Amino acid sequence: DAGVTQSPTHLIKTRGQQVTLRCSPISGHKSVSWYQQVLGQGPQFIFQYYEKEERGRGNFPDRFSARQFPNYSSELNVNALLLGDSALYLCASSWGQSSGNTIYFGEGSWLTVV
Amino acid sequence: AQSVTQLGSHVSVSEGALVLLRCNYSSSVPPYLFWYVQYPNQGLQLLLKYTSAATLVKGINGFEAEFKKSETSFHLTKPSAHMSDAAEYFCAVSEPARGSTLGRLYFGRGTQLTVWP
Repeated sequence: DAGVTQSPTHLIKTRGQQVTLRCSPISGHKSVSWYQQVLGQGPQFIFQYYEKEERGRGNFPDRFSARQFPNYSSELNVNALLLGDSALYLCASSWGQSSGNTIYFGEGSWLTVV
Repeated sequence: AQSVTQLGSHVSVSEGALVLLRCNYSSSVPPYLFWYVQYPNQGLQLLLKYTSAATLVKGINGFEAEFKKSETSFHLTKPSAHMSDAAEYFCAVSEPARGSTLGRLYFGRGTQLTVWP
């Protein structure tokens, strides 16, 4: 079975632009989360979606938004990009939303803002 | 609130030597604890997790970790390092509680492991 898949793998955007990152969870997984990993730091939680509803949001500005589709895939949108948004964006999936579920991560989308 | 402290941003060992990566956490309730590994330009791979069963947890690639509540620690060890273990290791915690933090992982800053031949 395929793992968590993300696209695109790398992209470069200009300040002020908008970006959409996509994620397909492991088959059967209903929970998708997004994390931002800035170089040299651990991942920071952005969003969690379960059964197409937002179940948690980290300390990120409203420029960050996400959604989950009926097939449980997800998109992360970032508007009005800033240089500081340059990071690896990781998508993770799990079967359920509880804290004990094993969370599987994708390879990530590398975003560079210039 | 949960937080994770990984002592030592860089650890270097010789091939065959003991690997010890330190992790301390703070949590208002007994937590779930995880160790992930990240190879260059890749995502995170789960090594092992503690979810309130046995305090000594065995993971993949010969790694294990011991949950010590009195020390609020969850250190990662491997008896004999291999060159292929060179990577960045992240300790993470989540709380088995309802509410907005349910299912959320809080990560440490990571420890870069270098293995010398």
